[in-house]
Amino acid sequence: EAGVAQSPRYKIIEKRQSVAFWCNPISGHATLYWYQQILGQGPKLLIQFQNNGVVDDSQLPKDRFSAERLKGVDSTLKIQPAKLEDSAVYLCASSLKRAWATDTQYFGPGTRLTVL
Amino acid sequence: AQTVTQSQPEMSVQEAETVTLSCTYDTSESDYYLFWYKQPPSRQMILVIRQEAYKQQNATENRFSVNFQKAAKSFSLKISDSQLGDAAMYFCAYKVSGAGSYQLTFGKGTKLSVIP
Repeated sequence: EAGVAQSPRYKIIEKRQSVAFWCNPISGHATLYWYQQILGQGPKLLIQFQNNGVVDDSQLPKDRFSAERLKGVDSTLKIQPAKLEDSAVYLCASSLKRAWATDTQYFGPGTRLTVL
Repeated sequence: AQTVTQSQPEMSVQEAETVTLSCTYDTSESDYYLFWYKQPPSRQMILVIRQEAYKQQNATENRFSVNFQKAAKSFSLKISDSQLGDAAMYFCAYKVSGAGSYQLTFGKGTKLSVIP
């Protein structure tokens, strides 16, 4: 079974530029999560999708971050415009069921973003 | 708000020895789940072990076991017979039970080194 796929693995941009990250969850997984992991910290949830609907985006900086999950499969996270403090690893995770607490989240390899 | 604290930024252990990583958490909930995730240099988060708060018995997965003290809000991870492949960042995480978002709240992590 293929795992969670993310691309690109690395991205370097100038501040005020735009960037987009892509995630393909494990086949059949209904729930998809985007996390931001700043160096030296644990991951922090940005947004959670259940199929193609948003369950929780309370920690997403909506003035510059956006995410979509069209057709309830792949997802894209965008930052526009980027700031220096957005430098982090962006992790995508997916889980099988309807966000039940016992449902294991499987993580992708992440995208390391550096904003100069 | 729930918080997860890992007080040991770094730990080291001799190969084949045993090491214990500490984690404490703060919550007003009575029903929740606790996790230990491993993040090797490849960045992919891997679930090591999971504990349901309503279970008194400590979870065990091969060489990994936990000491769950609900009253003290403590959740430590014991790694027995440490192997070189155990070297990684270890994150303790919390997840509330019930309806709604099931985001994982992570600690800041403990970097484990294994000495040959």
